[in-house]
Amino acid sequence: DQQVKQNSPSLSVQEGRISILNCDYTNSMFDYFLWYKKYPAEGPTFLISISSIKDKNEDGRFTVFLNKSAKHLSLHIVPSQPGDSAVYFCAALSRDSNYQLIWGAGTKLIIKP
Amino acid sequence: DAGVIQSPRHEVTEMGQEVTLRCKPISGHNSLFWYRQTMMRGLELLIYFNNNVPIDDSGMPEDRFSAKMPNASFSTLKIQPSEPRDSAVYFCASSPGQGVGASFFGQGTRLTVV
Repeated sequence: DQQVKQNSPSLSVQEGRISILNCDYTNSMFDYFLWYKKYPAEGPTFLISISSIKDKNEDGRFTVFLNKSAKHLSLHIVPSQPGDSAVYFCAALSRDSNYQLIWGAGTKLIIKP
Repeated sequence: DAGVIQSPRHEVTEMGQEVTLRCKPISGHNSLFWYRQTMMRGLELLIYFNNNVPIDDSGMPEDRFSAKMPNASFSTLKIQPSEPRDSAVYFCASSPGQGVGASFFGQGTRLTVV
């Protein structure tokens, strides 16, 4: 049972435009959501997070939006840059799961020049 | 701090051999995680330690896998005997406390069992 779902395996965006990465979840008990970025042959790198009590968190070019009623969150990257090309993972954690991270399958973002 | 350090970066071994993966977490971090990444299953949590104590090992695939954390600065993941289906990238990650959001990942060990 996938509790965190990233339904788009890949996304292609023109450089300078907005990239929107989506994530859906099923467990209403999740307390915290995180986005990670991963380059080939490297470990995931933490990008940005959001608490379940908020609906938006912004850090530079990255903004995460949380819609609890829809159990949906999204990561916006504006403007997209070539270095943003990577796989992006959505993850969630809750007290129920001993605060272990529950991961989505990832979305490969390709920024076209 | 140099971050989470894993060794070796690459390991190629023959089926049936014992494999030991090593991890040095970030100094001061209380939680340590071992993950396995495959094309089929993505990132899977294998085991999670907090203050050197295994909290949840339900992700460990079978008895051939074992993990230890003898002290706060070192952990091992051992596979004995190894099988070709164990081929994957194994990541170690650490966090500054129990339940604290971001885990910091090592660069991973790419294991190939032939």
